[in-house]
Amino acid sequence: RKEVEQDPGPFNVPEGATVAFNCTYSNSASQSFFWYRQDCRKEPKLLMSVYSSGNEDGRFTAQLNRASQYISLLIRDSKLSDSATYLCVVRPTGRRALTFGSGTRLQVQP
Amino acid sequence: NAGVTQTPKFRVLKTGQSMTLLCAQDMNHEYMYWYRQDPGMGLRLIHYSVGEGTTAKGEVPDGYNVSRLKKQNFLLGLESAAPSQTSVYFCASSSGTERGYDKSYEQYFGPGTRLTVT
Repeated sequence: RKEVEQDPGPFNVPEGATVAFNCTYSNSASQSFFWYRQDCRKEPKLLMSVYSSGNEDGRFTAQLNRASQYISLLIRDSKLSDSATYLCVVRPTGRRALTFGSGTRLQVQP
Repeated sequence: NAGVTQTPKFRVLKTGQSMTLLCAQDMNHEYMYWYRQDPGMGLRLIHYSVGEGTTAKGEVPDGYNVSRLKKQNFLLGLESAAPSQTSVYFCASSSGTERGYDKSYEQYFGPGTRLTVT
């Protein structure tokens, strides 16, 4: 079983739609959580950290459910420029390296 | 600040050849990482370093060696390239020292090196 699992998609949504991605992780002792964004043939870029109480950054909202071991990302009012692959990232306790999911591809259509 | 830079951007090698990929960061970060990314497999950690002069194995270290002689540089070596090492290689760094929630582990990536081994 992969440590971090994501639905690969693609999620095809119209502009202005709200879309949500989930990600599950297997190590219950994980303590740091992030969402990264990766455009085609580019490097991953940090989108946001995920805090225990949930957090919001503009149109993006991240939630953490430790009991069920999943993380979610909600994007409101989708823009064409949101089209990318979204990577769920986890840091298990005691490790200094991050574990990346394979990503969920989002395609926002006009 | 240039952030994280990688050289070269592209390279084609023949099986058995060797090469070194260079990663440099100007953010005074303690931690540096090398990943490879293959279609459908996501980012996999090859080696990482938590400070100058230290290195550690990641998930897929076989066939690679690394060195961190200077804090700002992290080198990835392939001694005898194989077609299975055809991939996109990303370097990343994180502060390792910032206080505050998770800031130490937020990673910043270089633009990648596309390597083909024939």
